Amino acid sequence: EPEVTQTPSHQVTQMGQEVILRCVPISNHLYFYWYRQILGQKVEFLVSFYNNEISEKSEIFDDQFSVERPDGSNFTLKIRSTKLEDSAMYFCASSPGQGLTDTQYFGPGTRLTVL
Amino acid sequence: AQKITQTQPGMFVQEKEAVTLDCTYDTSDPSYGLFWYKQPSSGEMIFLIYQGSYDQQNATEGRYSLNFQKARKSANLVISASQLGDSAMYFCAMREVSGSARQLTFGSGTQLTVLP
Repeated sequence: EPEVTQTPSHQVTQMGQEVILRCVPISNHLYFYWYRQILGQKVEFLVSFYNNEISEKSEIFDDQFSVERPDGSNFTLKIRSTKLEDSAMYFCASSPGQGLTDTQYFGPGTRLTVL
Repeated sequence: AQKITQTQPGMFVQEKEAVTLDCTYDTSDPSYGLFWYKQPSSGEMIFLIYQGSYDQQNATEGRYSLNFQKARKSANLVISASQLGDSAMYFCAMREVSGSARQLTFGSGTQLTVLP
């Protein structure tokens, strides 16, 4: 069964450094997403991406964040200058784009730790 | 106001019994979808079941069913014949469809523990 994959599973970085989180969505899906979950808190939407551009973003997704689909399979989230509060689990998700019933399938997550 | 409310931070159930996890939602959008996800201790998010606002019947998916009460704005997850592997965090989420929005809004989750 096709699944969303994410690398790395755990990333440790120093405050102020840039990180790139990578995702491979399910191959025939059209919509891609990033969410984050700070430890012990609810899952929060960051951004959605369709047809090579951002379709929605939340207040969290400020100028420090960017997304890219550099080739036909990868979808990346870049954080330019990490802060301590960026420490969280980051989930990539994808969906086929089926209207109301469109279901998002999540990857296993990347745990980002900012020191 | 919270869009998705899960009032049970933790629940316990005996193995082989049924359990209901509560979820209420708040929206003025007539078109919306409700989703339940399972998050085991390993951290991944696993899709369980979906209910659309126009669906006449309650969704079912194996041992999972959704008790959808539209007038009450509730979408409770029922797990029948609980298994030890059902121990996990369960999240209710909603997608409001108007304006082609696709983001999911999640509740705070319910930690389910299945006792042997």
